[in-house]
Amino acid sequence: AAGVIQSPRHLIKEKRETATLKCYPIPRHDTVYWYQQGPGQDPQFLISFYEKMQSDKGSIPDRFSAQQFSDYHSELNMSSLELGDSALYFCASSLDPNTGELFFGEGSRLTVL
Amino acid sequence: AQSVAQPEDQVNVAEGNPLTVKCTYSVSGNPYLFWYVQYPNRGLQFLLKYITGDNLVKGSYGFEAEFNKSQTSFHLKKPSALVSDSALYFCAVRDWGGRSGGGADGLTFGKGTHLIIQP
Repeated sequence: AAGVIQSPRHLIKEKRETATLKCYPIPRHDTVYWYQQGPGQDPQFLISFYEKMQSDKGSIPDRFSAQQFSDYHSELNMSSLELGDSALYFCASSLDPNTGELFFGEGSRLTVL
Repeated sequence: AQSVAQPEDQVNVAEGNPLTVKCTYSVSGNPYLFWYVQYPNRGLQFLLKYITGDNLVKGSYGFEAEFNKSQTSFHLKKPSALVSDSALYFCAVRDWGGRSGGGADGLTFGKGTHLIIQP
């Protein structure tokens, strides 16, 4: 079965650079979520989209932005990167934004040097 | 605000014994509850969920969880542990009342519990 696809899987950036992560949800899933997981931490909710509109916002820094496109894929843009942004970034998709479980991708590991 | 507590950082169980991983939650409305498992450097895999109905829910890999409204708990259980069950387990909650009112509210995760099954 098709799963959530994230790219790139690994990314190394310097401080103050920008990075873009991409997420391709499971076909027919119209809801996308972004999470950040620091080393040894639980996943922290950043932002979600339902039918291409921003639905909920969590602890996403102002330096970060995201959008969902017409084909339902989503991109997370991160600017002015800081050392503390180094983390595993997960995208998840869901068929039902209220009761549906989230299906997670394998994550994009961002390292900021 | 919604929150989840997993009181144990680590749970050790001998293979073949029953296991329990504890989870309590706090929401202002009605809870939607989930359990996920994470293997090292991997994404989270869905195990089971409680939305409504029977308080005992069964999920993947022989796991089950019991919803207890009075104790605001949703403990994960398995009758007989396998070494391959060793992983990091996360409990998560979504408030039925919703923050955004538009659906797609993010799940709030607990800190996770390392489950170690000893041969």
